[in-house]
Amino acid sequence: SQELEQSPQSLIVQEGKNLTINCTSSKTLYGLYWYKQKYGEGLIFLMMLQKGGEEKSHEKITAKLDEKKQQSSLHITASQPSHAGIYLCGADLGNNAGNMLTFGGGTRLMVKP
Amino acid sequence: DVKVTQSSRYLVKRTGEKVFLECVQDMDHENMFWYRQDPGLGLRLIYFSYDVKMKEKGDIPEGYSVSREKKERFSLILESASTNQTSMYLCASMGPGFRAINTEAFFGQGTRLTVV
Repeated sequence: SQELEQSPQSLIVQEGKNLTINCTSSKTLYGLYWYKQKYGEGLIFLMMLQKGGEEKSHEKITAKLDEKKQQSSLHITASQPSHAGIYLCGADLGNNAGNMLTFGGGTRLMVKP
Repeated sequence: DVKVTQSSRYLVKRTGEKVFLECVQDMDHENMFWYRQDPGLGLRLIYFSYDVKMKEKGDIPEGYSVSREKKERFSLILESASTNQTSMYLCASMGPGFRAINTEAFFGQGTRLTVV
């Protein structure tokens, strides 16, 4: 099993609906990153969270890191077709003295117009 | 303003061939990473490097090697390509102090490798 678990694996929503994607770790997260990927392309940085309880927003996307720094959620309000893609959470799990960035399995989001 | 460049978007190689995937970054970053991405498995780390000539194994290093002779370039090498190495390969770079504040990883566009 992966050290970072994302849920759900895939999601289909009607345009205008809200949705939430979760990222869970059994270890403390030193830094939690959310990226978005269009099919077949590289990853686009969305936001980074470091402090327990931290919350950040960008346009209609809000990400939170829980107080224990073991879970993060990504919430999209009033989804649009442009939100479609694969959302990935990445984190430093402290497995290594170096700067090792581990990713979850991704959530594939489809938005029906 | 391209920051991380991978040498090829698409590549087709034969089984047994030696394959080089090149990645160049122009941000003077210390840390560079190679991932492969497969459906349902997300991004899995193959190798990473935190300095010139330094390398660390990631989660799935078997069948791969890397080279970092210059700070800006990180190469992934498939010594003898096999069909199970058909995948999307992504390179990333990141500045110093990953656990420092406001550091993000920049990704290349990816190389879709098919081994036949």
